[in-house]
Amino acid sequence: AQSVTQLGSHVSVSEGALVLLRCNYSSSVPPYLFWYVQYPNQGLQLLLKYTTGATLVKGINGFEAEFKKSETSFHLTKPSAHMSDAAEYFCAVIQGGGAAVNKLTFGGGTRVLVKP
Amino acid sequence: EPEVTQTPSHQVTQMGQEVILRCVPISNHLYFYWYRQILGQKVEFLVSFYNNEISEKSEIFDDQFSVERPDGSNFTLKIRSTKLEDSAMYFCASCGTGVDTQYFGPGTRLTVL
Repeated sequence: AQSVTQLGSHVSVSEGALVLLRCNYSSSVPPYLFWYVQYPNQGLQLLLKYTTGATLVKGINGFEAEFKKSETSFHLTKPSAHMSDAAEYFCAVIQGGGAAVNKLTFGGGTRVLVKP
Repeated sequence: EPEVTQTPSHQVTQMGQEVILRCVPISNHLYFYWYRQILGQKVEFLVSFYNNEISEKSEIFDDQFSVERPDGSNFTLKIRSTKLEDSAMYFCASCGTGVDTQYFGPGTRLTVL
């Protein structure tokens, strides 16, 4: 069974500082990896995803993530935080391997607070 | 841009009552999902639906839960006899293929009193 661990349930960053959100996964086959963002009182919006190919993926709003198979990680970064980045971020995995229909398994989420 | 919609946005019900949560997935999508998020906890998978049948369900999805796609556009989640612990945000999602991006609706907040 797959699982996702997000280190840190809350992260506080200053505006303009680096945002780094950590995600580690376990999966018996190569996974597909996702980061979703949830703004207050809204649904989940896809930030970026990794399926195959280039391990550094770029997403919306200046975010990017790197798939590191050896470390089973998919950490999310943004070079310079903006006030509008305050939200909760979820890392999620779908088990690959050719299965036809797959559920998302989510990490516990990391709430980001941006200080002026 | 196409989006997943859900109604109602907030449902309050008494314990033991039946509730139906409604979702309209993106029109050309084939795979449909329900997830829930209890306050302060992680988002959990409930059920996936493809080709007019359940393809996978979690332990949470017991006999009190059912899903239906009654008319080719709506996708519903029914809870027959609600319990206090069913209080949560319920998200519907859809995608075009089984391993592609799942697009989420804004959620229905269910409060069971």
